[in-house]
Amino acid sequence: NAGVTQTPKFRVLKTGQSMTLLCAQDMNHEYMYWYRQDPGMGLRLIHYSVGEGTTAKGEVPDGYNVSRLKKQNFLLGLESAAPSQTSVYFCASRPSGSNNEQFFGPGTRLTVL
Amino acid sequence: AQSVTQPDIHITVSEGASLELRCNYSYGATPYLFWYVQSPGQGLQLLLKYFSGDTLVQGIKGFEAEFKRSQSSFNLRKPSVHWSDAAEYFCAVGAGNNDMRFGAGTRLTVKP
Repeated sequence: NAGVTQTPKFRVLKTGQSMTLLCAQDMNHEYMYWYRQDPGMGLRLIHYSVGEGTTAKGEVPDGYNVSRLKKQNFLLGLESAAPSQTSVYFCASRPSGSNNEQFFGPGTRLTVL
Repeated sequence: AQSVTQPDIHITVSEGASLELRCNYSYGATPYLFWYVQSPGQGLQLLLKYFSGDTLVQGIKGFEAEFKRSQSSFNLRKPSVHWSDAAEYFCAVGAGNNDMRFGAGTRLTVKP
């Protein structure tokens, strides 16, 4: 049981490049989340999904897109990366009815030059 | 919208000393409250949580936290800190099903 995994662990992009971050969970959780973590700001919610085929915006969605084609996977896309998107990205998941108790992946450190 | 404040950005304690990390929240109803710990280069691990009932909750690694509604606080405590407790600690408040707000974090340094 791997829990929540994220691919890749590190990535360096140039401004304007695109990329996709993959989050996978093997716990059959309904809900999945993408956060970004910046120094002095804690974690902020980018997008989330309440089930396969559904997505919704969080607190800081601009510049990101997401897809949840399969229940176990939640993809975060950057169409045209900007230096302001340099951050550590965390994925989380939780089962329904868990009072928002979330399980986190190890994170992806992204640098945009 | 709910918010979380962790007043202390960085705390240093000696090994064996007691620890209290402060957390204040703003939310109109009874929130779900969490403390997470993050070791360098790692993801977040849940230490403890409060949903309802007894306001003193026990967590892993010898941590406990007390919910005080009158003070809108959920402070984290440990009677005797170990060097391995050095990490960053995040308080979070969950409201509704999909809105979790995190504090900015408190970095704990443990002196030998």
